[in-house]
Amino acid sequence: GIQVEQSPPDLILQEGANSTLRCNFSDSVNNLQWFHQNPWGQLINLFYIPSGTKQNGRLSATTVATERYSLLYISSSQTTDSGVYFCAVPTNFGNEKLTFGTGTRLTIIP
Amino acid sequence: DTGVSQDPRHKITKRGQNVTFRCDPISEHNRLYWYRQTLGQGPEFLTYFQNEAQLEKSRLLSDRFSAERPKGSFSTLEIQRTEQGDSAMYLCASSPRTGKETQYFGPGTRLLVL
Repeated sequence: GIQVEQSPPDLILQEGANSTLRCNFSDSVNNLQWFHQNPWGQLINLFYIPSGTKQNGRLSATTVATERYSLLYISSSQTTDSGVYFCAVPTNFGNEKLTFGTGTRLTIIP
Repeated sequence: DTGVSQDPRHKITKRGQNVTFRCDPISEHNRLYWYRQTLGQGPEFLTYFQNEAQLEKSRLLSDRFSAERPKGSFSTLEIQRTEQGDSAMYLCASSPRTGKETQYFGPGTRLLVL
C-alpha cells in the first residue's frame, strides 16, 4: 500500500507566526484530504485537494500530484490552531479507504 | 445537516467483556467507514459499507470484531471478548455517492479495556 509521511513531526510556534506543513506520498493519488484533529479527538475536514491550490481564510493548501506532495499553509496562527494535522490519501489508486500520514503536532503559544 | 454522530463517546470495560458502538452517518450518505486510532498514531482503516453491503474489511478486523449496517443507515461495531490491545479511539466517517468525495468524521468512541 501507499506510504504517507508528514513533516515536521512537531512544530511549536508563537501566536501570529506562519507555518508550512508537508505531506509526501509514495504513489499516484486521485484524492488527498487534510484534517485537523483537535485536542478532543475530533477530525475536522480542512481541504479535499487532489491537485491544485485552495484557500479557506487563513489556511491554504497546494497539491502537486505529479511530484507526490502536498503542502498546508497556516498564516497568522492562533492558539485554536493547535492540534495534530493529518493528510490522508487512498490506500490504492481509486480505492476509497484512506491511509493517513504520520501527522504533524502543532502547538501555538500565546 | 447534523454531522456524523457516535455513541457512546467513552467506554470503559473489563477484559473479556463485549462492547458495541453505534454510528449515525450524515443523512443520504451511502458510504460509511470505520477507523481505529491508537495513541500517537493516525487513524487506520477497519471496514466500510456502501448502503447495507460491507465491501471491504481490513486484516486489523479480527474475528472478534463485527460490523453491520442493517438498513443502510446507522452502523454498529461490536467487539467480543475485549482485550487490552483493543483500547483505542474508534472513528466513524461517511461520504456521499461515489465515495471519492470528502469523508466526514464523527467525534469518535474512546474505548479503554482494563
